Amino acid sequence: DGGITQSPKYLFRKEGQNVTLSCEQNLNHDAMYWYRQDPGQGLRLIYYSQIVNDFQKGDIAEGYSVSREKKESFPLTVTSAQKNPTAFYLCASSTPSGYNSPLHFGNGTRLTVT
Amino acid sequence: EDKVVQSPLSLVVHEGDTVTLNCSYEVTNFRSLLWYKQEKKAPTFLFMLTSSGIEKKSGRLSSILDKKELFSILNITATQTGDSAVYLCAVIHGSGNTGKLIFGQGTTLQVKP
Repeated sequence: DGGITQSPKYLFRKEGQNVTLSCEQNLNHDAMYWYRQDPGQGLRLIYYSQIVNDFQKGDIAEGYSVSREKKESFPLTVTSAQKNPTAFYLCASSTPSGYNSPLHFGNGTRLTVT
Repeated sequence: EDKVVQSPLSLVVHEGDTVTLNCSYEVTNFRSLLWYKQEKKAPTFLFMLTSSGIEKKSGRLSSILDKKELFSILNITATQTGDSAVYLCAVIHGSGNTGKLIFGQGTTLQVKP
């Protein structure tokens, strides 16, 4: 079955540690996205990538980094510079570039940093 | 500043009631508006609206877009407890090949038996 797989489902880290969230899709989608969701707020865009080896900052990119070495994969690293990293992280993909194409979402990773 | 605003933020109704969720937007280079339903995990796609005045319908859910007044509504008739979820509105905007999606805050709907 085609879809988007995020792992792990739950992640716990201590403050000051970098952590990488995985996102893999087998939908052959060109564009991939990372969103953060906090209680009472909508999804906010962290980074997005329209094509392999290229990515752009979203609205809240500070403290995060990404890579897009393969079409299928778009990992997100939450660095120690991110001041409030505890949140629900959603990865999504679309084709060809989000224009007139709904996003398909993974099941999310809930990150807790203490 | 581009923004999408949903109202109400939360809503509690009883089974059988009809609800209307609102989404207004102010963006540059509007392309389309989407509605998603989010229960525990991944948002699931409901509707994509690109043209004004054309209602999209799926079972008890329907939605329409007004591009002149810059808003959309999502209607749910004969609500059931399974309709309890967060409903997200999002707008795709941008020029060229750089479409971006902005989400509203979401409306949390609780349907009581």
